[in-house]
Amino acid sequence: DIQMTQSPSSLSASVGDRVTITCQASQDISNYLNWYQQKPGKAPRLLIYDASNLKTGVPSRFSGSGSGTDFTFTVSSLQPEDIATYYCQQFNNLPYTFGQGTKLEIK
Amino acid sequence: QVQLQESGPGLVKPSETLSLSCSVSGGSVNSDSYYWSWIRQPPGKGLESIGYIYYSGRTNYNPSLKSRVTISLDTSKNEFSLRLTSVTAADTAVYYCAALECSGATCYFDYWGRGTLVTVSS
Repeated sequence: DIQMTQSPSSLSASVGDRVTITCQASQDISNYLNWYQQKPGKAPRLLIYDASNLKTGVPSRFSGSGSGTDFTFTVSSLQPEDIATYYCQQFNNLPYTFGQGTKLEIK
Repeated sequence: QVQLQESGPGLVKPSETLSLSCSVSGGSVNSDSYYWSWIRQPPGKGLESIGYIYYSGRTNYNPSLKSRVTISLDTSKNEFSLRLTSVTAADTAVYYCAALECSGATCYFDYWGRGTLVTVSS
């Protein structure tokens, strides 16, 4: 299985801050990477697919980049409603695997 | 818009079989648009893919669970189901059904159920 490693595991930031999360794959996955947001007690929600494509309806303050083994997810200006856990997920190989998650909190 | 809803027992005894169903509305399990999937999340932990079934009946299972998992379709009810045998406490999790959409080389879990907590305990 491809291992996905996210860092940091948790992050505390202020409203308006720029926030960055990284995701590293254990092997080259090209751009076959998605990012999801999960709020407490809710199912995950797709935000970004193919490493950098914003899903329709997702605010433009969310963005993603990277290819190969190293990927970045950015929130350009943190809003209170962005408090959640964020997961990367590869779809290069089955089984599709997720990172362990990054919990984002407001300072 | 596809909507998914899980149903099934919230408590299963060790060594018994976990059985869940996922009712699909706004779409058909006979459609080639989606791979009907199961994903689970142990309390306070991350997400694990269990497997999927396609409208043709083709399945794919996570190797870590393959010997214990069966995913099936019921087209008459427009739902799909999960069976996980010989459960232990390690199978305690929120179980989500999801619609995996693949177009060209792109795949993502587009629609999710709300999830259902299954606890394995005597």
